[in-house]
Amino acid sequence: GAVVSQHPSWVICKSGTSVKIECRSLDFQATTMFWYRQFPKQSLMLMATSNEGSKATYEQGVEKDKFLINHASLTLSTLTVTSAHPEDSSFYICSAEGLAVQETQYFGPGTRLLVL
Amino acid sequence: KNEVEQSPQNLTAQEGEFITINCSYSVGISALHWLQQHPGGGIVSLFMLSSGKKKHGRLIATINIQEKHSSLHITASHPRDSAVYICARGGEYGNKLVFGAGTILRVKS
Repeated sequence: GAVVSQHPSWVICKSGTSVKIECRSLDFQATTMFWYRQFPKQSLMLMATSNEGSKATYEQGVEKDKFLINHASLTLSTLTVTSAHPEDSSFYICSAEGLAVQETQYFGPGTRLLVL
Repeated sequence: KNEVEQSPQNLTAQEGEFITINCSYSVGISALHWLQQHPGGGIVSLFMLSSGKKKHGRLIATINIQEKHSSLHITASHPRDSAVYICARGGEYGNKLVFGAGTILRVKS
């Protein structure tokens, strides 16, 4: 089946720094990628939808200037958490959907972010 | 009220038992997804279905569009099935998924 990778899997950073998380579709072209956040014991919450070559669409309540999303190619989307604060500590998951696998989203393994 | 409701929230079963997890949703959909999340956090897509029934190994997913209800069944459960099972609906907003709260399954040996 289709494979989606995320890097890094774990990151610890100091408050005020920026962190970049990569999401790659390894064996298919992802026209759309989704970024989710999951707090402990809660379900996934969609943060934004990213289409290759265009600006991301953010969900209500998600600050686009704080969570920068770039989908520069059909296999790579990045999420940058700018000026991270402890409340940004969470599990960030991406998923990808491609033309050939439309409506099936393939999920990455997730990135655990801890902001000290 | 959540758009996607799952039951039960927690489920403990003995190895070998037949398990059913239910999912109800409140709006029409184009597809219903069942996902599995292991303790490490990674998510695996188990099924995407828009009608009828799908089977993969010991897992069976069914959906009743008229009743807006889906079930995930696990036959001959095993401790390695212990995970959080999440249903999610797609449709109304295109390919965005709306997630249920998840069902925490623990299978004891």
